Amino acid sequence: DAKTTQPPSMDCAEGRAANLPCNHSTISGNEYVYWYRQIHSQGPQYIIHGLKNNETNEMASLIITEDRKSSTLILPHATLRDTAVYYCIVRVLTQGGSEKLVFGKGTKLTVNP
Amino acid sequence: SQTIHQWPATLVQPVGSPLSLECTVEGTSNPNLYWYRQAAGRGLQLLFYSVGIGQISSEVPQNLSASRPQDRQFILSSKKLLLSDSGFYLCAWTSFSGLNYGYTFGSGTRLTVV
Repeated sequence: DAKTTQPPSMDCAEGRAANLPCNHSTISGNEYVYWYRQIHSQGPQYIIHGLKNNETNEMASLIITEDRKSSTLILPHATLRDTAVYYCIVRVLTQGGSEKLVFGKGTKLTVNP
Repeated sequence: SQTIHQWPATLVQPVGSPLSLECTVEGTSNPNLYWYRQAAGRGLQLLFYSVGIGQISSEVPQNLSASRPQDRQFILSSKKLLLSDSGFYLCAWTSFSGLNYGYTFGSGTRLTVV
């Protein structure tokens, strides 16, 4: 089962910041938070990940609360091409020492002109 | 650089026919490999993962099986397809190389069972 909950859908105006929330209240101390997005009929695309510090790259920023129970993905200037389903995922460690990503239902972000 | 290949891109198969989908990774060694399925309008469901040759972990009981005959080859199979096997199948890999950029997904195979 996914360890994250996200709103099913959000809207954002083109050029404005898109803030996508995610709750992961049962996250363990060594589990990373990953964000992916999926544009229709394509494989998921990696966006960003973090453990406990805020992270920023050329695509987005990731803000993780101090208690690590929630996080927010920020797209600073959303464009129409950012319309996609955004997945917040906790990387789960398996009993065999491996890992896996368990996807939830994600947030359908629609960027409007 | 690392790349992942997945084929075919689309496939239409009759109920009861066999299935073989192949995924290969280039530019890395000893990757962790994963098969996901996405039914129409649904999220991604993890089916199988493998940490090495011949090592397969199944996430959900189903009509499918997976094999890893070589380090960078991952195969998804079925002896007899069901209508419910239709979906978008994605292969992914990750490696504990220290860069930790997460999982890289292939372009997927859209399977329609008729």
